[in-house]
Amino acid sequence: AQSVSQHNHHVILSEAASLELGCNYSYGGTVNLFWYVQYPGQHLQLLLKYFSGDPLVKGIKGFEAEFIKSKFSFNLRKPSVQWSDTAEYFCAAHAGNNRKLIWGLGTSLAVNP
Amino acid sequence: GAGVSQSPSNKVTEKGKDVELRCDPISGHTALYWYRQSLGQGLEFLIYFQGNSAPDKSGLPSDRFSAERTGGSVSTLTIQRTQQEDSAVYLCASSFVASGNTEAFFGQGTRLTVV
Repeated sequence: AQSVSQHNHHVILSEAASLELGCNYSYGGTVNLFWYVQYPGQHLQLLLKYFSGDPLVKGIKGFEAEFIKSKFSFNLRKPSVQWSDTAEYFCAAHAGNNRKLIWGLGTSLAVNP
Repeated sequence: GAGVSQSPSNKVTEKGKDVELRCDPISGHTALYWYRQSLGQGLEFLIYFQGNSAPDKSGLPSDRFSAERTGGSVSTLTIQRTQQEDSAVYLCASSFVASGNTEAFFGQGTRLTVV
C-alpha cells in the first residue's frame, strides 16, 4: 500500500540554523509530491510541489525540496530558519488520478529566537 | 468565494447529539477530502470523493460517521450520536485531479467540541 513517512516528529532549532526534514514515499510509479505547512492557528497551505522536471523545487519563504527518485525521497530544506517558521510540516504524495493523497504524520518544528 | 469554505467554523454540541458539517469546495474541483485533526496530531483521513466514482470511505472511524457530496459540489459530513472523542478540527480539501495538478486546497476547518 502507498505510504508516506516523515522521520522527524519534533524538531527544535535555533534561528539561523539549517533545516532538513525527511520524507519518503512508497509508490514506485509517477507521483506528485507536496509539502504543506500549518502555522499555529492557521489552515494548511501549500509550501511547494513537485510534478515533473527539475527535481529541485523551490517554494515560498526560502524553502526548497529535492526529489530523489532512486531514494523515494522528497526532503524539505531551508538554509537558515526563522522564528516565524515555527509550524507543523506535512509531506504528501499523490499517484494517479483515481487515488487519494497520502499524508505523512507531520513534523512539528519549533524555532527558538 | 475563491477558496474552500467550511461551516460552521466552531460547533459545540452535547454528547449524543447529531452534527452536520458543511464544505463548499472550489468551483470545478473534482476531488474532495474530509480529514480530522486532533490537537497536536497529524491528518486523519476520513473520506474521499472523486468525480462520479464511488467514494473512498476507508477512513471513517465508525458507522456513526457518514458523508455525501451532492451534485459533485457541496459535501456534508454527518456525525451521529456524537462522543467526546469526536472532538477535533474537521478539515475539508478539494483539488482538480484531472488537470494533473493535484494540489489540495484546504478550508479553515470546523472545530467540533463535544461536551
